[in-house]
Amino acid sequence: NAGVTQTPKFQVLKTGQSMTLQCAQDMNHNSMYWYRQDPGMGLRLIYYSASEGTTDKGEVPNGYNVSRLNKREFSLRLESAAPSQTSVYFCASSEDPGAPQHFGDGTRLSIL
Amino acid sequence: AQSVSQHNHHVILSEAASLELGCNYSYGGTVNLFWYVQYPGQHLQLLLKYFSGDPLVKGIKGFEAEFIKSKFSFNLRKPSVQWSDTAEYFCAVNANTGNQFYFGTGTSLTVIP
Repeated sequence: NAGVTQTPKFQVLKTGQSMTLQCAQDMNHNSMYWYRQDPGMGLRLIYYSASEGTTDKGEVPNGYNVSRLNKREFSLRLESAAPSQTSVYFCASSEDPGAPQHFGDGTRLSIL
Repeated sequence: AQSVSQHNHHVILSEAASLELGCNYSYGGTVNLFWYVQYPGQHLQLLLKYFSGDPLVKGIKGFEAEFIKSKFSFNLRKPSVQWSDTAEYFCAVNANTGNQFYFGTGTSLTVIP
């Protein structure tokens, strides 16, 4: 019972480098989400995918892109990393929009 | 945009004390409400949820929450906390016609044995 799996768990990047965070869920959920968690700011939604084939911007989308590769996978890409993107990134999925979300273990990303 | 306020940023309690964490939201329409818990080093887990019906909802581990529509509040309660309740607690709101969740900034709870 893996649930939501995120890779990698930790990553250090230099400013300007690019990388993709991977997320996969095995619960046959329709909706998937990417959040960032920063101290004192809670979780903020970056992008979400209400269903396979659709993606929408959340609260803080600038500097990020996403791909809903198939029903299981939803990746987050940083094209040119900036120190302000240092954060813990969580992927989540839910059966449908508005349903309770299931979270992955997070990716701790540091950008120097 | 909706907003969710958790006024208690850090709460310290002794074991067996009662707990109440506040959550207020700003949205005039129908909402779905959630409390999540994040234990140290772990991912967020659902504690309880409210969609409709009885405004007093019970969740896991003895937690409950009360939805008061007139006050736009969804406060979390537990009659007697344990050391193992030490964690960060997040309130979240979803307009039931929308796709986005809005999370509060979280309340860090420390329970002293």
